[in-house]
Amino acid sequence: GAVVSQHPSRVICKSGTSVKIECRSLDFQATTMFWYRQFPKKSLMLMATSNEGSKATYEQGVEKDKFLINHASLTLSTLTVTSAHPEDSSFYICSARPGQDVLGLFFGSGTQLSVL
Amino acid sequence: AQTVTQSQPEMSVQEAETVTLSCTYDTSESDYYLFWYKQPPSRQMILVIRQEAYKQQNATENRFSVNFQKAAKSFSLKISDSQLGDAAMYFCAYRGRNQFYFGTGTSLTVIP
Repeated sequence: GAVVSQHPSRVICKSGTSVKIECRSLDFQATTMFWYRQFPKKSLMLMATSNEGSKATYEQGVEKDKFLINHASLTLSTLTVTSAHPEDSSFYICSARPGQDVLGLFFGSGTQLSVL
Repeated sequence: AQTVTQSQPEMSVQEAETVTLSCTYDTSESDYYLFWYKQPPSRQMILVIRQEAYKQQNATENRFSVNFQKAAKSFSLKISDSQLGDAAMYFCAYRGRNQFYFGTGTSLTVIP
């Protein structure tokens, strides 16, 4: 149980274009999902908390207009990197938490974004 | 603010031997959860083991066990009979009232 699916796994795009990343909880409902960014050999940096039916909560220093988050249903959250630039190139990971805190977070397989 | 510290950026262990990864945390909360996650080269984050702070008994999952010292705010991971597939980044994580906090990770190498 507790499977989180993330697509695409890898995307290459031109500078100035927008990229959408999907995160789905396959076998549970997630009112809250989390988006992380990870640089090579570094820890996970929380970008934002995605709340179903309401606005996302962004961490300090994360541009809301650049990283658009939509959590339209209990099983789907999307992260759109708008007008991507090379400095946005990174590994993005989503996660979701089933109802019980003790179960921890379950992660998607991540998306490697490369902006040319 | 809660912080999670992993003081060992890199560790290595001989295959079949035992290794311990350290983790300390800082918190003023009384109820919380602690986790160890493994991130192999595939970069998929995998939950290894969890511990509820209110439980005194250390969690165990097959070859993985923890040494949870609540007063010292220490949560180390012991891997017994290390296998080549254990090679990965290991992240200690704290779950409190608000959100998760991750440590900086320990890169574990398993030597054949």
